[in-house]
Amino acid sequence: AQSVTQLDSQVPVFEEAPVELRCNYSSSVSVYLFWYVQYPNQGLQLLLKYLSGSTLVESINGFEAEFNKSQTSFHLRKPSVHISDTAEYFCAVSSEGTALIFGKGTTLSVSS
Amino acid sequence: KAGVTQTPRYLIKTRGQQVTLSCSPISGHRSVSWYQQTPGQGLQFLFEYFSETQRNKGNFPGRFSGRQFSNSRSEMNVSTLELGDSALYLCASSPVAGARETQYFGPGTRLLVL
Repeated sequence: AQSVTQLDSQVPVFEEAPVELRCNYSSSVSVYLFWYVQYPNQGLQLLLKYLSGSTLVESINGFEAEFNKSQTSFHLRKPSVHISDTAEYFCAVSSEGTALIFGKGTTLSVSS
Repeated sequence: KAGVTQTPRYLIKTRGQQVTLSCSPISGHRSVSWYQQTPGQGLQFLFEYFSETQRNKGNFPGRFSGRQFSNSRSEMNVSTLELGDSALYLCASSPVAGARETQYFGPGTRLLVL
């Protein structure tokens, strides 16, 4: 069975600091990997995803994630965060024939 | 295009009652999935429908059921409500079914069971 572990439940950072949200997965088959973001009182929205090809994927708002097959990781990074990045971030994994499995989420709190 | 809509947005029920939640996917999307979100368990997959057929089902008791209509709208039903069913129920749609597809989420229905 597949599973996703988000190693940090809460990550507090100051504005303009770099941040890394960690995600590890376990699966015996090829996977697709996703990061979703949930702002307060809203549903989730896709931040970025890895399906195949280049292991580094980027979002339009400055986040990036790197698929590392040997370490079974898909960590999310941003070199300089803004107050508006405060939200809950979910890592998720899927493979052919299976549903999307989410990690328990990481709350990113950005303060000035 | 309008996003995924869920009704009602908030609901209060008592133990033993049943509830039906509704989800209208983005126009043209034929796949609908349901998730339960709680502080303790996080996001857990309930079921997925595509073209009125259930494709996948999560590990929930039979009290949780769903269906999809020919216009792709979906409903989920929970019978004999328990306190532990209090949660945010999220619906997501995608154009087609498949593990590679991006899920587009609605704002959710917050259910409180007293």
